Amino acid sequence: DARVTQTPRHKVTEMGQEVTMRCQPILGHNTVFWYRQTMMQGLELLAYFRNRAPLDDSGMPKDRFSAEMPDATLATLKIQPSEPRDSAVYFCASGSLEIQETQYFGPGTRLLVL
Amino acid sequence: GEDVEQSLFLSVREGDSSVINCTYTDSSSTYLYWYKQEPGAGLQLLTYIFSNMDMKQDQRLTVLLNKKDKHLSLRIADTQTGDSAIYFCAEYPSGGSYIPTFGRGTSLIVHP
Repeated sequence: DARVTQTPRHKVTEMGQEVTMRCQPILGHNTVFWYRQTMMQGLELLAYFRNRAPLDDSGMPKDRFSAEMPDATLATLKIQPSEPRDSAVYFCASGSLEIQETQYFGPGTRLLVL
Repeated sequence: GEDVEQSLFLSVREGDSSVINCTYTDSSSTYLYWYKQEPGAGLQLLTYIFSNMDMKQDQRLTVLLNKKDKHLSLRIADTQTGDSAIYFCAEYPSGGSYIPTFGRGTSLIVHP
């Protein structure tokens, strides 16, 4: 049963600390998305990778957020320095262009910045 | 730009049918999707419809698409308490960007 995995599932940190979230997409998928979900804003797209290349990160605050795919099995989202307003659930999703346009979501990382 | 709108809440009695509605603006959308999010979990793909279809049925789920009005609906027959969740509508535009637009989600509350 292939699924997207994310670590950590929960993270509590203090303002100013670095936070790194990891995602393992489904094997064979060639698109990866990072989303942030909050009550106020709903689901926001932060970054989009296709074949490991970043194609869209317009929704991501550039001064503190960065997203990378060092290889096909790992995507990372980093916040440095973190702020209380970054508290949210961060989802990774992967998909395959060859099958159909759809996304399979991971369970999310719940981040609380104090 | 694209916009997808949904009502925020729907409350139904167990055993009744639920109808969750969604409107979208991009007339060139290729696929339209419904996702379900249970508490503490990620979004789970429920069903989808291709833009050249009017209806799709999948067990208790029926998706209706009115392209003229840009209206999508999800009907859940015989709604159960386990159907309580947030339901997201999403559209995929044509043109190869493959970046979907999600609605804000409809919270379905099923009470006995």
